[in-house]
Amino acid sequence: RKEVEQDPGPFNVPEGATVAFNCTYSNSASQSFFWYRQDCRKEPKLLMSVYSSGNEDGRFTAQLNRASQYISLLIRDSKLSDSATYLCVVNIADDKIIFGKGTRLHILP
Amino acid sequence: DAGVIQSPRHEVTEMGQEVTLRCKPISGHDYLFWYRQTMMRGLELLIYFNNNVPIDDSGMPEDRFSAKMPNASFSTLKIQPSEPRDSAVYFCASSLGTGGAEYGYTFGSGTRLTVV
Repeated sequence: RKEVEQDPGPFNVPEGATVAFNCTYSNSASQSFFWYRQDCRKEPKLLMSVYSSGNEDGRFTAQLNRASQYISLLIRDSKLSDSATYLCVVNIADDKIIFGKGTRLHILP
Repeated sequence: DAGVIQSPRHEVTEMGQEVTLRCKPISGHDYLFWYRQTMMRGLELLIYFNNNVPIDDSGMPEDRFSAKMPNASFSTLKIQPSEPRDSAVYFCASSLGTGGAEYGYTFGSGTRLTVV
């Protein structure tokens, strides 16, 4: 099993719809989880951290399922500007994190 | 703050030439990371520094790659000699911490390297 695995997509979603994607991780000892966003030909940027209790930031909700070892990102009322690649990030040791290869999201007008 | 600054933005070089990539981290950040991104392999950690000291260079592909951080505000990644398979986007990132908790990483705009 890969350390961090994401569905590469693309997810093609009409504007205004709700979309969700998951990321699975293999190291049960992982403690920190993040979602980053990367626009085409740009650098990754931190979108949000993922807390054990789940967290919400506007239209974005991140959740952690430790039992099944995955994190999820849900985007409500999707906007054209949400089109990007979403990278899942998991720490696999005290000082090491791994980036997933990302899920591409296209919001269609 | 100007963020993490990388130079050059683009580099095209011939196989066998030496390439030097530069990075200025955010002032006050004590961790600096070099990543390489390709379509096939995604983002790969090459090396990271804590307080200017290299901590983990296990991701450096081979001896052709070297990295230095002579002071808190500057780091270089050097490839000598370069090969076509080194073509990728190289990102520098800095952070107040490593992989943990609420810090997250701030990435530079990257250097797009093409070796022909």
